[in-house]
Amino acid sequence: QQQVKQSPQSLIVQKGGIPIINCAYENTAFDYFPWYQQFPGKGPALLIAIRPDVSEKKEGRFTISFNKSAKQFSLHIMDSQPGDSATYFCAASMQTGANNLFFGTGTRLTVIP
Amino acid sequence: NAGVTQTPKFQVLKTGQSMTLQCAQDMNHEYMSWYRQDPGMGLRLIHYSVGAGITDQGEVPNGYNVSRSTTEDFPLRLLSAAPSQTSVYFCASSYYFGTANTEAFFGQGTRLTVV
Repeated sequence: QQQVKQSPQSLIVQKGGIPIINCAYENTAFDYFPWYQQFPGKGPALLIAIRPDVSEKKEGRFTISFNKSAKQFSLHIMDSQPGDSATYFCAASMQTGANNLFFGTGTRLTVIP
Repeated sequence: NAGVTQTPKFQVLKTGQSMTLQCAQDMNHEYMSWYRQDPGMGLRLIHYSVGAGITDQGEVPNGYNVSRSTTEDFPLRLLSAAPSQTSVYFCASSYYFGTANTEAFFGQGTRLTVV
């Protein structure tokens, strides 16, 4: 079964909008939550990551919000640009899990100029 | 700096054929892994390795073999290809400290079609 659930499957926003992608997990042993960005024909690339000892992390226009009690985390993209159009994957892994990642099913984001 | 290099980029196989997907990294990473990406399912772990001579199974290992004779290389072998193995395959590598997760670097992928 999918250990990390991701929604929505696709998202269309206007330039300057703030798309939000949500993920949820059940396994409380997860302690590392990265987000990956993937462009067509390319491999995923790390965008931003968070550990459960903080509730929010911001890097440039990208912010992760983390709710440990609800076992949910989300990605916000501020002032979205057409160049942000890509597929975004949330993931989770555990310290004892040899760096193995469990991925969500992905969200295809389209930012309209 | 090449990073993670996968070959070939595209491959078409007939059912029952065998082949090896190559993966090489030049970052001296201990950890290497193979994922398959299917529509609507995200990426799923096939096999992984935390160092030369050490391999283990991931979520979906059936029909695949791996070996790790050097730090740099981690080939994935399909023993007898089946249409269900049609997918995009990604190799990834990262530093491995055993106590904390680190960034995974992915290759460009191999698109495999089994007919």
